[in-house]
Amino acid sequence: DTGVSQNPRHKITKRGQNVTFRCDPISEHNRLYWYRQTLGQGPEFLTYFQNEAQLEKSRLLSDRFSAERPKGSFSTLEIQRTEQGDSAMYLCASSLARGLEQYFGPGTRLTVT
Amino acid sequence: TQLLEQSPQFLSIQEGENLTVYCNSSSVFSSLQWYRQEPGEGPVLLVTVVTGGEVKKLKRLTFQFGDARKDSSLHITAAQPGDTGLYLCAGGSGQGAQKLVFGQGTRLTINP
Repeated sequence: DTGVSQNPRHKITKRGQNVTFRCDPISEHNRLYWYRQTLGQGPEFLTYFQNEAQLEKSRLLSDRFSAERPKGSFSTLEIQRTEQGDSAMYLCASSLARGLEQYFGPGTRLTVT
Repeated sequence: TQLLEQSPQFLSIQEGENLTVYCNSSSVFSSLQWYRQEPGEGPVLLVTVVTGGEVKKLKRLTFQFGDARKDSSLHITAAQPGDTGLYLCAGGSGQGAQKLVFGQGTRLTINP
């Protein structure tokens, strides 16, 4: 399978704990995106990378959120001191640098209890 | 702030009927994409339209981009139960897709 992969698929954590998600993009794709989707809504943009550079961050990405793409390949999204409002599906997508199409992974479902 | 509004939000019809889903904005987008999403999975890209007035067909699905590139529609002919899912439109701006702005989705149910 050469699509976008995300791990874990599901994560249940207690409020106040830290969590980290991983995204592996399609191998030749330079751009990598993170989105968040809550129940009944479309995905909302969080941040994106071109190679290892983080080029844009949404104001939705509070100080508790940090994303990295250290070698321009896989990316991690960390949420510190989780809150119940962080419960959502976290989606990763990738694209070519000048490509219009973004291809999504299966997502990580986070539940904060 | 760019927003996309989809209508209807919910649609339940019988197998064999036709339907149209609308995606509207007051903003101009350089591209418009349609995705379908199954429960617990990520969105799957169906089509990208980039030119005002452009029409693309994917089997029984017809996608149109408005002349002013502010709106789009998805028409399904002779709907089948396998068409059931959440349909999302997403607008892109700038070079490449950069960030996508999504509508809230249309949840479509096709009853056998």
